[in-house]
Amino acid sequence: GEDVEQSLFLSVREGDSSVINCTYTDSSSTYLYWYKQEPGAGLQLLTYIFSNMDMKQDQRLTVLLNKKDKHLSLRIADTQTGDSAIYFCAEWDYGQNFVFGPGTRLSVLP
Amino acid sequence: DGGITQSPKYLFRKEGQNVTLSCEQNLNHDAMYWYRQDPGQGLRLIYYSQIVNDFQKGDIAEGYSVSREKKESFPLTVTSAQKNPTAFYLCASSTDRTYQPQHFGDGTRLSIL
Repeated sequence: GEDVEQSLFLSVREGDSSVINCTYTDSSSTYLYWYKQEPGAGLQLLTYIFSNMDMKQDQRLTVLLNKKDKHLSLRIADTQTGDSAIYFCAEWDYGQNFVFGPGTRLSVLP
Repeated sequence: DGGITQSPKYLFRKEGQNVTLSCEQNLNHDAMYWYRQDPGQGLRLIYYSQIVNDFQKGDIAEGYSVSREKKESFPLTVTSAQKNPTAFYLCASSTDRTYQPQHFGDGTRLSIL
């Protein structure tokens, strides 16, 4: 079945850029998502991309997709303390389920 | 504002007791989902429903039950058969059961007394 992998932790300095990485295994065209989870809260959809796209940008967020390597990244420009959260990568498999990665905990240091 | 409401935010269960977690949405979504979240793991699907009066088991349905009598509501019961129920439970909904993004409630944290 499909699998989504992420590194579990990332620390950056306030004002730097953060890059959160994800790899997925689905070999067909698919949709890929980034969600943000703040402590004690649910998941908030940040953005999503279809696998025929290379890039999508939305204000401070840039999503890059390398289809050949099945690698997805989320870049956060000018990272702020309010960006500290867990970031989940997810893939939609054509069996009609969402597959979530384990989440990357982003810590922003002052 | 439209959204998904989960209640209660915190819930405690005694041994041998069934408890029910509430999930209500006013987004007019057809599909609804229940996930379990454990530390360091992704979300695992417990049950989902594509339409009223229909629901299907997900990957970890044992020890759980659901109903879908109304479009807006999808309650989850954690039964005494679930031996390790301590977790954070998330309810989600989507327009339909396709690639449309899922929208999440704020979760219920269940603990064992």
